[in-house]
Amino acid sequence: EIVLSQSPGTLSLSPGERATLSCRASQSLSSSYLAWYQQKPGQAPRLLIYGASSRATGIPDRFSGSGSGTDFTLTISRLEPEDFAVYYCQQYGYSPRTFGQGTKVEIK
Amino acid sequence: QVQLVESGGGLVKPGGSLRLSCATSGFTFRDYYMSWIRQAPGKGLEWVSYISNGGSSTYYADSVKGRFTISRDNAENSLYLQMNSLRADDTAVYYCATDERGFDSWGQGTLVTVSS
Repeated sequence: EIVLSQSPGTLSLSPGERATLSCRASQSLSSSYLAWYQQKPGQAPRLLIYGASSRATGIPDRFSGSGSGTDFTLTISRLEPEDFAVYYCQQYGYSPRTFGQGTKVEIK
Repeated sequence: QVQLVESGGGLVKPGGSLRLSCATSGFTFRDYYMSWIRQAPGKGLEWVSYISNGGSSTYYADSVKGRFTISRDNAENSLYLQMNSLRADDTAVYYCATDERGFDSWGQGTLVTVSS
């Protein structure tokens, strides 16, 4: 099973600042089958990024994904008030599919 | 638009059974792999199971293998999860999701509580 480790656990930032979230895989992911999700309290997760760097439909361009192999990054260029949430990475290149433990982006 | 609506959750005693359903619309259901994902209260996301578009291939997390069964009815555009021998640590919100480029679309979830 591929283990995904996200860091930091919590990120305290102000609106307008840049957020950089990390996701490290225990082994190399084939074809960068890595996705990022945003989850707000009481809501289902929403797909932001797939294939490590492709934005899902309707996702603003302030969200970007990068990386390959075992190291991946989600960047939010300028935080909007609605971006404060929990973010999860997930790999779908191998079974079982696995998630990281999440990074909470909170208002400083 | 794409819609996924889960149902069938509720309170069940340890050792009991439940069958979850996921009714879908707005996309060609028979073309998509589908997954169930769960989230225990206050915890992160845990993938549970997937089924191929035709239903011939299934896969389960070790935590549910031998107790849960995923199935689908492509004529009814519906996905199911039969859950047997339920335990307290199965308590969670259960989501169904399309499984293509990651989990593209999600339902709103249905809460399963296992307690005596």
